[in-house]
Amino acid sequence: EAGVVQSPRYKIIEKKQPVAFWCNPISGHNTLYWYRQNLGQGPELLIRYENEEAVDDSQLPKDRFSAERLKGVDSTLKIQPAELGDSAVYLCASSSLAVSSYNEQFFGPGTRLTVL
Amino acid sequence: GDSVTQMEGPVTLSEEAFLTINCTYTATGYPSLFWYVQYPGEGLQLLLKATKADDKGSNKGFEATYRKETTSFHLEKGSVQVSDSAVYFCALRGGTSYGKLTFGQGTILTVHP
Repeated sequence: EAGVVQSPRYKIIEKKQPVAFWCNPISGHNTLYWYRQNLGQGPELLIRYENEEAVDDSQLPKDRFSAERLKGVDSTLKIQPAELGDSAVYLCASSSLAVSSYNEQFFGPGTRLTVL
Repeated sequence: GDSVTQMEGPVTLSEEAFLTINCTYTATGYPSLFWYVQYPGEGLQLLLKATKADDKGSNKGFEATYRKETTSFHLEKGSVQVSDSAVYFCALRGGTSYGKLTFGQGTILTVHP
């Protein structure tokens, strides 16, 4: 079974430029999460989707961040414009609502963003 | 709100030494507790979990017991190997944060031959 796929793995941009990250969750997983992991810290949730619906976006900085999950499968996270403080690893995770899975979250390898 | 505190690292051990990484939490209700591991260049992987008080999670020789009275979930292994070198994260779900995981800051473990 394929895991969570993210691309790109690394991205270097100048500040004020836009950037987008893509995530393909595990097939059949209804729930998709975007986390941000700053250097030396644990991941922090940015947004959670149940199918197409964003059910928790309270930690998403909406002035510059946006996300979408069209058709309830793939998802894209965008930053426009990027700031120096956005340098971090952006993690995507997915989980199944099936009772047997106990909602275990499976993580992708992440996208490491460097803003210069 | 919910929070997780891990012992500060990094931790450096010799092979076959005993490992303990402390984790305490603050949450309302009855959270589920997790340990995740991140090997170099890889994504986070679930190592073990416990869903209610006094549960013991175990996997690959690692163990942790959900202690509600001390709000702790310490990770232990009796004999570490070089291949255990990684970053370990304690996390919780539930309480006020259903659906999302709240992570500690991570502990870097390095095991020398």
